[in-house]
Amino acid sequence: AQSVTQLDSHVSVSEGTPVLLRCNYSSSYSPSLFWYVQHPNKGLQLLLKYTSAATLVKGINGFEAEFKKSETSFHLTKPSAHMSDAAEYFCVVTAMNTGFQKLVFGTGTRLLVSP
Amino acid sequence: DAGVIQSPRHEVTEMGQEVTLRCKPISGHNSLFWYRQTMMRGLELLIYFNNNVPIDDSGMPEDRFSAKMPNASFSTLKIQPSEPRDSAVYFCASTERGGLTDTQYFGPGTRLTVL
Repeated sequence: AQSVTQLDSHVSVSEGTPVLLRCNYSSSYSPSLFWYVQHPNKGLQLLLKYTSAATLVKGINGFEAEFKKSETSFHLTKPSAHMSDAAEYFCVVTAMNTGFQKLVFGTGTRLLVSP
Repeated sequence: DAGVIQSPRHEVTEMGQEVTLRCKPISGHNSLFWYRQTMMRGLELLIYFNNNVPIDDSGMPEDRFSAKMPNASFSTLKIQPSEPRDSAVYFCASTERGGLTDTQYFGPGTRLTVL
Protein backbone atom coordinates (compact mmCIF):
# COMPACT_ATOMS: atom_id res chain seq x y z
CA ALA A 1 0.00 0.00 0.00
CA GLN A 2 1.11 3.52 -0.69
CA SER A 3 1.83 5.84 2.20
CA VAL A 4 3.61 9.03 3.09
CA THR A 5 5.53 9.85 6.28
CA GLN A 6 6.39 13.34 7.42
CA LEU A 7 9.25 12.83 9.78
CA ASP A 8 8.78 15.95 11.91
CA SER A 9 5.54 17.20 13.41
CA HIS A 10 7.12 20.59 14.18
CA VAL A 11 10.13 22.42 12.76
CA SER A 12 11.40 25.68 14.22
CA VAL A 13 13.74 28.01 12.34
CA SER A 14 14.87 31.59 12.59
CA GLU A 15 14.00 34.08 9.91
CA GLY A 16 16.65 34.07 7.21
CA THR A 17 17.85 30.52 7.88
CA PRO A 18 17.24 27.50 5.63
CA VAL A 19 14.12 25.37 5.85
CA LEU A 20 14.05 21.57 5.50
CA LEU A 21 10.78 19.65 5.82
CA ARG A 22 11.21 15.93 5.39
CA CYS A 23 8.90 13.53 3.59
CA ASN A 24 9.34 9.84 2.79
CA TYR A 25 6.91 7.80 0.75
CA SER A 26 6.27 4.21 -0.11
CA SER A 27 4.72 3.20 -3.38
CA SER A 28 4.55 0.12 -5.55
CA TYR A 29 4.48 2.22 -8.70
CA SER A 30 5.80 5.57 -9.86
CA PRO A 31 3.84 8.05 -7.80
CA SER A 32 3.09 11.71 -8.16
CA LEU A 33 4.08 13.78 -5.15
CA PHE A 34 2.93 17.16 -3.90
CA TRP A 35 3.56 19.67 -1.17
CA TYR A 36 0.62 21.75 0.02
CA VAL A 37 0.69 24.58 2.57
CA GLN A 38 -2.09 25.55 4.96
CA HIS A 39 -2.03 28.90 6.70
CA PRO A 40 -4.15 29.29 9.85
CA ASN A 41 -7.87 29.14 9.19
CA LYS A 42 -7.32 28.76 5.46
CA GLY A 43 -7.66 26.01 2.90
CA LEU A 44 -4.66 24.21 1.45
CA GLN A 45 -2.63 25.72 -1.38
CA LEU A 46 -0.35 23.85 -3.76
CA LEU A 47 3.34 24.70 -3.38
CA LEU A 48 4.75 22.31 -5.97
CA LYS A 49 4.28 18.90 -7.55
CA TYR A 50 6.33 16.12 -9.09
CA THR A 51 4.74 14.09 -11.89
CA SER A 52 7.65 12.10 -13.39
CA ALA A 53 9.34 14.99 -15.17
CA ALA A 54 12.38 16.79 -13.72
CA THR A 55 13.32 15.44 -10.30
CA LEU A 56 14.09 18.90 -8.90
CA VAL A 57 10.84 20.77 -8.71
CA LYS A 58 10.56 24.48 -8.08
CA GLY A 59 7.43 25.88 -6.51
CA ILE A 60 5.99 29.14 -5.33
CA ASN A 61 7.50 31.44 -2.70
CA GLY A 62 11.04 30.12 -3.22
CA PHE A 63 10.32 26.54 -2.18
CA GLU A 64 11.69 23.54 -4.01
CA ALA A 65 11.75 19.77 -3.56
CA GLU A 66 13.82 16.96 -4.99
CA PHE A 67 12.39 13.56 -5.86
CA LYS A 68 14.91 10.89 -4.87
CA LYS A 69 13.70 7.48 -5.90
CA SER A 70 16.63 5.63 -4.31
CA GLU A 71 15.84 7.22 -0.96
CA THR A 72 12.05 7.31 -1.47
CA SER A 73 12.14 10.90 -0.34
CA PHE A 74 10.63 14.20 -1.43
CA HIS A 75 11.99 16.76 1.04
CA LEU A 76 10.90 20.39 0.84
CA THR A 77 13.53 23.11 1.14
CA LYS A 78 13.85 26.88 1.07
CA PRO A 79 17.17 28.74 1.35
CA SER A 80 15.92 31.52 3.61
CA ALA A 81 12.80 31.42 5.80
CA HIS A 82 10.42 34.34 5.98
CA MET A 83 7.97 35.06 8.76
CA SER A 84 5.11 34.52 6.31
CA ASP A 85 6.25 30.91 5.79
CA ALA A 86 4.92 29.96 9.22
CA ALA A 87 2.17 27.45 8.42
CA GLU A 88 1.40 23.74 8.24
CA TYR A 89 2.87 21.80 5.33
CA PHE A 90 1.49 18.57 3.92
CA CYS A 91 3.30 16.04 1.76
CA VAL A 92 0.90 14.14 -0.50
CA VAL A 93 1.34 11.04 -2.68
CA THR A 94 -0.94 9.45 -5.23
CA ALA A 95 -1.96 5.91 -4.44
CA MET A 96 -4.07 3.16 -5.89
CA ASN A 97 -6.80 1.70 -3.71
CA THR A 98 -9.55 -0.67 -4.79
CA GLY A 99 -9.06 0.35 -8.40
CA PHE A 100 -9.26 4.08 -7.76
CA GLN A 101 -6.38 6.48 -7.70
CA LYS A 102 -6.34 8.39 -4.44
CA LEU A 103 -4.38 11.10 -2.73
CA VAL A 104 -2.77 10.13 0.57
CA PHE A 105 -1.93 13.06 2.83
CA GLY A 106 0.84 13.09 5.39
CA THR A 107 0.10 14.11 8.93
CA GLY A 108 1.60 17.55 8.40
CA THR A 109 4.60 19.50 9.65
CA ARG A 110 4.07 22.77 11.44
CA LEU A 111 6.77 25.29 10.56
CA LEU A 112 7.48 27.93 13.17
CA VAL A 113 9.57 30.95 12.17
CA SER A 114 11.04 33.18 14.84
CA PRO A 115 12.40 36.69 14.30
CA ASP B 1 -11.95 34.54 -9.89
CA ALA B 2 -13.61 34.19 -6.49
CA GLY B 3 -12.07 30.79 -5.83
CA VAL B 4 -13.89 27.90 -4.22
CA ILE B 5 -16.72 29.16 -2.04
CA GLN B 6 -17.99 27.27 0.99
CA SER B 7 -20.88 28.04 3.27
CA PRO B 8 -21.41 28.35 6.10
CA ARG B 9 -17.93 29.11 7.43
CA HIS B 10 -18.94 28.01 10.90
CA GLU B 11 -21.77 25.75 12.01
CA VAL B 12 -22.70 24.81 15.54
CA THR B 13 -25.48 22.29 15.97
CA GLU B 14 -26.80 19.78 18.43
CA MET B 15 -26.44 16.04 18.18
CA GLY B 16 -29.15 14.50 16.06
CA GLN B 17 -29.71 17.53 13.88
CA GLU B 18 -29.27 17.54 10.12
CA VAL B 19 -26.34 19.54 8.79
CA THR B 20 -25.85 20.65 5.19
CA LEU B 21 -22.56 22.04 3.95
CA ARG B 22 -22.37 23.79 0.60
CA CYS B 23 -19.69 24.28 -1.99
CA LYS B 24 -19.38 26.24 -5.20
CA PRO B 25 -16.34 25.16 -7.24
CA ILE B 26 -14.33 27.43 -9.48
CA SER B 27 -16.17 28.09 -12.70
CA GLY B 28 -15.02 25.76 -15.45
CA HIS B 29 -13.59 23.15 -13.11
CA ASN B 30 -15.05 19.72 -13.65
CA SER B 31 -13.90 17.80 -10.56
CA LEU B 32 -14.91 18.43 -6.96
CA PHE B 33 -13.59 16.91 -3.75
CA TRP B 34 -14.88 16.86 -0.17
CA TYR B 35 -12.35 16.47 2.66
CA ARG B 36 -12.58 16.29 6.43
CA GLN B 37 -9.78 17.49 8.70
CA THR B 38 -9.44 16.58 12.39
CA MET B 39 -6.55 16.60 14.80
CA MET B 40 -6.83 12.85 15.31
CA ARG B 41 -7.16 11.68 11.72
CA GLY B 42 -5.62 14.51 9.71
CA LEU B 43 -7.00 15.24 6.26
CA GLU B 44 -9.25 12.57 4.76
CA LEU B 45 -10.84 12.47 1.32
CA LEU B 46 -14.54 11.72 1.71
CA ILE B 47 -15.78 11.72 -1.88
CA TYR B 48 -15.00 13.16 -5.25
CA PHE B 49 -17.04 13.97 -8.34
CA ASN B 50 -16.03 14.21 -11.96
CA ASN B 51 -18.47 15.96 -14.30
CA ASN B 52 -21.05 15.90 -11.48
CA VAL B 53 -20.83 12.10 -11.14
CA PRO B 54 -19.53 10.54 -7.90
CA ILE B 55 -16.37 8.63 -8.76
CA ASP B 56 -15.11 7.40 -5.41
CA ASP B 57 -17.11 7.60 -2.20
CA SER B 58 -15.14 4.99 -0.28
CA GLY B 59 -14.02 7.65 2.20
CA MET B 60 -17.54 8.51 3.31
CA PRO B 61 -17.56 7.33 6.93
CA GLU B 62 -21.07 5.88 7.10
CA ASP B 63 -24.61 6.13 5.84
CA ARG B 64 -25.24 9.27 7.84
CA PHE B 65 -23.11 11.10 5.28
CA SER B 66 -24.33 11.85 1.78
CA ALA B 67 -23.09 14.14 -0.98
CA LYS B 68 -24.69 15.44 -4.13
CA MET B 69 -23.65 17.49 -7.09
CA PRO B 70 -26.79 18.46 -8.99
CA ASN B 71 -24.90 20.69 -11.42
CA ALA B 72 -21.39 21.85 -12.24
CA SER B 73 -21.55 24.83 -9.92
CA PHE B 74 -22.93 23.41 -6.70
CA SER B 75 -22.41 20.53 -4.30
CA THR B 76 -23.70 19.62 -0.87
CA LEU B 77 -22.46 17.39 1.91
CA LYS B 78 -25.18 16.35 4.31
CA ILE B 79 -24.90 14.69 7.70
CA GLN B 80 -28.10 13.25 9.14
CA PRO B 81 -28.20 12.72 12.06
CA SER B 82 -25.09 14.52 13.22
CA GLU B 83 -22.94 13.24 16.10
CA PRO B 84 -20.25 14.94 18.22
CA ARG B 85 -17.55 12.87 16.50
CA ASP B 86 -18.45 14.58 13.23
CA SER B 87 -16.97 17.81 14.58
CA ALA B 88 -14.22 18.79 12.14
CA VAL B 89 -13.29 21.23 9.43
CA TYR B 90 -14.77 20.21 6.11
CA PHE B 91 -13.01 21.37 2.95
CA CYS B 92 -14.18 21.42 -0.60
CA ALA B 93 -11.67 21.53 -3.47
CA SER B 94 -11.96 21.63 -7.24
CA THR B 95 -9.67 20.87 -10.17
CA GLU B 96 -9.82 21.94 -13.76
CA ARG B 97 -9.65 18.41 -15.14
CA GLY B 98 -10.42 15.04 -13.66
CA GLY B 99 -6.98 13.73 -12.77
CA LEU B 100 -5.74 13.57 -9.21
CA THR B 101 -2.41 15.06 -10.30
CA ASP B 102 -4.16 18.30 -11.16
CA THR B 103 -3.74 21.22 -8.83
CA GLN B 104 -6.48 21.21 -6.24
CA TYR B 105 -7.93 24.57 -5.25
CA PHE B 106 -9.30 24.47 -1.75
CA GLY B 107 -12.07 26.51 -0.24
CA PRO B 108 -11.68 28.15 3.18
CA GLY B 109 -13.49 25.30 4.93
CA THR B 110 -16.53 24.93 7.16
CA ARG B 111 -15.81 24.43 10.85
CA LEU B 112 -18.53 22.13 12.19
CA THR B 113 -19.14 21.71 15.90
CA VAL B 114 -21.70 19.15 17.03
CA LEU B 115 -22.63 19.47 20.68
